[in-house]
Amino acid sequence: DVKVTQSSRYLVKRTGEKVFLECVQDMDHENMFWYRQDPGLGLRLIYFSYDVKMKEKGDIPEGYSVSREKKERFSLILESASTNQTSMYLCASSLEQRNQPQHFGDGTRLSIL
Amino acid sequence: GQQVMQIPQYQHVQEGEDFTTYCNSSTTLSNIQWYKQRPGGHPVFLIQLVKSGEVKKQKRLTFQFGEAKKNSSLHITATQTTDVGTYFCAGRGGYQKVTFGIGTKLQVIP
Repeated sequence: DVKVTQSSRYLVKRTGEKVFLECVQDMDHENMFWYRQDPGLGLRLIYFSYDVKMKEKGDIPEGYSVSREKKERFSLILESASTNQTSMYLCASSLEQRNQPQHFGDGTRLSIL
Repeated sequence: GQQVMQIPQYQHVQEGEDFTTYCNSSTTLSNIQWYKQRPGGHPVFLIQLVKSGEVKKQKRLTFQFGEAKKNSSLHITATQTTDVGTYFCAGRGGYQKVTFGIGTKLQVIP
């Protein structure tokens, strides 16, 4: 069974801090994704990566960056956290082939004070 | 860019009633996936539709993909309390990029 692990379930940070959200998958998936989930807005794609050191912007990349140094790990970075980045963050992974489903982690509920 | 619209946003039904959620894309999709997110949980993959006009069933759930591959629906027959959750469609247009609908939150009243 695919396991996608996010480093924290809950996280509280202050405005202006640099925040790292970590995601690890154990199934050798090529693709990894970061979403944020907000009430009434559904799942919005921030960034995705289809290979090590490769990244593509999603629909809402502003204020975020990502890092993929190893295949199993995909990090989301908030360079200078702001209150409007308070949200649920979900990481997902999938195989490279086109019609593969995404497997999600449990999410990190991030609060920026 | 690609947009996937999903309605309704919320639905309350009595247990035993039917439920349907609809997705419409602004562009032709190569496939559409459906996910379910239980309260407090993460989205879990249910099914994928690829062919024009395709219909698939999973017990009380029926999934359809439109002839033009721009719309899809999920129908649940005789809802149960275990059906509670948010149902998302996710349409794939370009390479590897999937766009999620905003989800339909289903509440089942016992």
